[in-house]
Amino acid sequence: QKEVEQNSGPLSVPEGAIASLNCTYSDRGSQSFFWYRQYSGKSPELIMFIYSNGDKEDGRFTAQLNKASQYVSLLIRDSQPSDSATYLCAVRRNNQGGKLIFGQGTELSVKP
Amino acid sequence: EAGVAQSPRYKIIEKRQSVAFWCNPISGHATLYWYQQILGQGPKLLIQFQNNGVVDDSQLPKDRFSAERLKGVDSTLKIQPAKLEDSAVYLCASRPTSGRASEQFFGPGTRLTVL
Repeated sequence: QKEVEQNSGPLSVPEGAIASLNCTYSDRGSQSFFWYRQYSGKSPELIMFIYSNGDKEDGRFTAQLNKASQYVSLLIRDSQPSDSATYLCAVRRNNQGGKLIFGQGTELSVKP
Repeated sequence: EAGVAQSPRYKIIEKRQSVAFWCNPISGHATLYWYQQILGQGPKLLIQFQNNGVVDDSQLPKDRFSAERLKGVDSTLKIQPAKLEDSAVYLCASRPTSGRASEQFFGPGTRLTVL
């Protein structure tokens, strides 16, 4: 079992729709959870992170964390073609000095 | 604030050759990471430095990969000899010790092709 698994893509949504990206992790010691966006040929850039169970909203993005289910998701409201990218889920155990374990990524395509 | 710098951006070599990558982290960032990202996969940590000391190199193939961070600033990652499966993007990231301590800032990466 992979430490961090993401739903396989590509995921295609129409412009203006809600895109839902999912991620599960196997290590219950994981404390911090991150969503990165990676455009083709570019390096990952942080969208948001979440530590506590529940929802965290930042503009059109909402991260959801359920530690009991070992599940974290990212919702993108009012999806735009510029949101088309690969989204990487990453987890960290605070006692590992910042080491991130990444999932394989989910490719999102937003169609105009 | 200048970002993480990496060079070269692209490198093509033949198998069994050697190659070196350079990274200059954001000024003041004590923690530096090297990741390997194979096409279609997420980044995988190769080595983590805290200042000039190694914190984690558990996934570094030490028979062929080496890395150093002299003086706790710049870092180099070397592969000798390279194999076909080393074709990947090598990402350097750095992290501050205070403030936005949770965030790792990634450089543009070096795309390595081994023929």
